[in-house]
Amino acid sequence: GAVVSQHPSRVICKSGTSVKIECRSLDFQATTMFWYRQFPKKSLMLMATSNEGSKATYEQGVEKDKFLINHASLTLSTLTVTSAHPEDSSFYICSVQRETGEEQYFGPGTRLTVT
Amino acid sequence: AQSVTQLGSHVSVSEGALVLLRCNYSSSVPPYLFWYVQYPNQGLQLLLKYTSAATLVKGINGFEAEFKKSETSFHLTKPSAHMSDAAEYFCAVSRDYSSASKIIFGSGTRLSIRP
Repeated sequence: GAVVSQHPSRVICKSGTSVKIECRSLDFQATTMFWYRQFPKKSLMLMATSNEGSKATYEQGVEKDKFLINHASLTLSTLTVTSAHPEDSSFYICSVQRETGEEQYFGPGTRLTVT
Repeated sequence: AQSVTQLGSHVSVSEGALVLLRCNYSSSVPPYLFWYVQYPNQGLQLLLKYTSAATLVKGINGFEAEFKKSETSFHLTKPSAHMSDAAEYFCAVSRDYSSASKIIFGSGTRLSIRP
């Protein structure tokens, strides 16, 4: 069965609004969660790494004030795209890691369309 | 720094034919290497991984990959293609499994299967 879930699977929002994407680890408590962004016909780009109870570490070029990450518990991380614009339209994928030294399990992704 | 290069953004083979997807890596340390598959509008599924044990790695769905240090390659193969193999395939590299290590993805290869 699925190890990681994401909600919603797809969302359409108007420009200027904010949208929240949830990532849940279903099978285990995840010490680390990762957020990726995938542009059409492109590879995955790591946006940020988050550990429960601490601030996320953002990759170079990713605006932390625009992409708010909250790792509220060992099974839930949220990504909020604030003041979304059409260029934020993308496929967002999260992954979870049980412990340091273990592999990442990827979620099914969330397709965001900003009109 | 680590990187992966996937040769060929699109590969098309006939059903029953050999599948060969090429991946070359660059790493200053012994790498961990992965192949992931992504079906349309879905997240990534791990096909197989190399973690410095056997150089020939067998994965799911009949796929396998061989780590060749001399060629810095980790090509993915399957003896006989099936229609259900049509998907996007990503090669990836990491230093290890720790939470501090990022997974660096290649640009992906879209595999099409001809009836």
